[in-house]
Amino acid sequence: DQQVKQNSPSLSVQEGRISILNCDYTNSMFDYFLWYKKYPAEGPTFLISISSIKDKNEDGRFTVFLNKSAKHLSLHIVPSQPGDSAVYFCAALSGTYKYIFGTGTRLKVLA
Amino acid sequence: GAVVSQHPSWVICKSGTSVKIECRSLDFQATTMFWYRQFPKQSLMLMATSNEGSKATYEQGVEKDKFLINHASLTLSTLTVTSAHPEDSSFYICSALDRFHYNEQFFGPGTRLTVL
Repeated sequence: DQQVKQNSPSLSVQEGRISILNCDYTNSMFDYFLWYKKYPAEGPTFLISISSIKDKNEDGRFTVFLNKSAKHLSLHIVPSQPGDSAVYFCAALSGTYKYIFGTGTRLKVLA
Repeated sequence: GAVVSQHPSWVICKSGTSVKIECRSLDFQATTMFWYRQFPKQSLMLMATSNEGSKATYEQGVEKDKFLINHASLTLSTLTVTSAHPEDSSFYICSALDRFHYNEQFFGPGTRLTVL
């Protein structure tokens, strides 16, 4: 049973526009969420995180929004750049340190 | 930032042989390391949690006799795929937990295993 879901396997966005990547989860006990970026044949790199006590966290071009009642989070990238093209995974922290990853969304930013 | 390395980055082996993959935290001590497996176009699936000085904790469905994990020091964990078969071919990624940043795992670059 997939506890963290990213329902869009892929997304294409024009350079300079906003990219919105979505993530849904089923377990209301999750209280910390992270977004990772991954290039092919490389390990994921951390982007941004959010605690359940917040509903928004911003870092430069990246903003994560959390809607606890809907069990939904989203990552906004603005403006999108070609170098942002990668696979993005959301993850929920289960317990003290265990991550549950979503299935990933492949973002392609078109120049 | 914290750096995690994996060795080798790519390995091809014959069916029936064993392969060892190393995961090292280069500039921090990691009491806990994790091993993931990723199939093409799929999510990262946690295989096991490796704690320094103790036995690894395996996720449901992961054969501990097939995937041997040793975490002998605060900077090194190894995953040995024993008697590898073609279905073990995958991308294996480790991560390490910085004890001072317990919410954030730092990932290695991954190891691509191909079993012929």
